[in-house]
Amino acid sequence: ETGVTQSPTHLIKTRGQQVTLRCSSQSGHNTVSWYQQALGQGPQFIFQYYREEENGRGNFPPRFSGLQFPNYSSELNVNALELDDSALYLCASSFLQGGGTDTQYFGPGTRLTVL
Amino acid sequence: DQQVKQNSPSLSVQEGRISILNCDYTNSMFDYFLWYKKYPAEGPTFLISISSIKDKNEDGRFTVFLNKSAKHLSLHIVPSQPGDSAVYFCAAISNYQLIWGAGTKLIIKP
Repeated sequence: ETGVTQSPTHLIKTRGQQVTLRCSSQSGHNTVSWYQQALGQGPQFIFQYYREEENGRGNFPPRFSGLQFPNYSSELNVNALELDDSALYLCASSFLQGGGTDTQYFGPGTRLTVL
Repeated sequence: DQQVKQNSPSLSVQEGRISILNCDYTNSMFDYFLWYKKYPAEGPTFLISISSIKDKNEDGRFTVFLNKSAKHLSLHIVPSQPGDSAVYFCAAISNYQLIWGAGTKLIIKP
């Protein structure tokens, strides 16, 4: 059973550029959540995808968008990058059933630096 | 407004002794809590969870206590080992998302 993987590990972009981050879910999971973690803070929820549809969204602007594919892998896209977007981006997979979600398992993260 | 708070940014404990990490929350609707451990350059790793129908859950060296009336939970690690040195996050599940505290850096001294 493979765990959650993310790519790339590190990324440097400049203001105004666009970026795509990728995540492969853990085997058997159907839900992917994305979080942004700024230095010294806990992760902040960006959004969650379940069966290729956005299932919930945190307080992030529309320039943060995502996709989930039939194999449950996912992408996070950020347009018009700003300096404050510099952070660790974490992907978590879980199995959603009934009214609640199971424990979320995290990938190693992608460190994004915006210059 | 932070709904999950970890008021101690860091904690230093002697190897072999008990480590106690604390977490407070404000939303009485939270009914499921988790503790994650994070090493540098790695994603958070799930440690232990507790449902609001319980007041204690134990897994090996790790025990989580929940005091619903005080809206407080704590993670006990006993005995503490050098490999326990990491940042520990408390999180609550609210619908589909995790709401996190800011973390406590635990340092185990030899």
